[in-house]
Amino acid sequence: GENVEQHPSTLSVQEGDSAVIKCTYSDSASNYFPWYKQELGKGPQLIIDIRSNVGEKKDQRIAVTLNKTAKHFSLHITETQPEDSAVYFCAANGQNFVFGPGTRLSVLP
Amino acid sequence: EAQVTQNPRYLITVTGKKLTVTCSQNMNHEYMSWYRQDPGLGLRQIYYSMNVEVTDKGDVPEGYKVSRKEKRNFPLILESPSPNQTSLYFCASSLGRGGYEQYFGPGTRLTVT
Repeated sequence: GENVEQHPSTLSVQEGDSAVIKCTYSDSASNYFPWYKQELGKGPQLIIDIRSNVGEKKDQRIAVTLNKTAKHFSLHITETQPEDSAVYFCAANGQNFVFGPGTRLSVLP
Repeated sequence: EAQVTQNPRYLITVTGKKLTVTCSQNMNHEYMSWYRQDPGLGLRQIYYSMNVEVTDKGDVPEGYKVSRKEKRNFPLILESPSPNQTSLYFCASSLGRGGYEQYFGPGTRLTVT
């Protein structure tokens, strides 16, 4: 079955710096790769997604890149703000959704 | 407002006492699923349903049951809870199984003593 790895598990950045979270997946049949943000006490919420026929997608300060050959995809957050502090999950969707273990991002003021 | 609701939000119970966590969505979604979230393991799928009366096992189904008698509801049943089922549980719904955003409920924190 699908296996998704995510690194780093924790990440601290200064406000205004960039943050990058990386994921790898194992099933070449996966074709949809969403990223979810989970704030304390809440359920995960979709922030951006990318499909297998696209290499990069951007939405304001957030971007996602996908390398299907290497089975890598990454989340890039620029100009980080304190409200970006949360746990971020990547996921790979083939037959089912498989989530990575999560990255706790702390943005220090 | 489009949403997924879960009840209860918090539950403390004892080993072996049957319990049900309810889940309801108001978006007319066909696909619903249950996840458990444990530190360092992310979200693992317990069961999913592609439509009314159609359910299937996810990655960690042992000790759980589900039913889908109506499109909007997808309850999670623990017939004989054990301490290793202490976890944070999320219900989610989406338009379909693949390639769609999943909408998550607020979570149910379950403690089994």
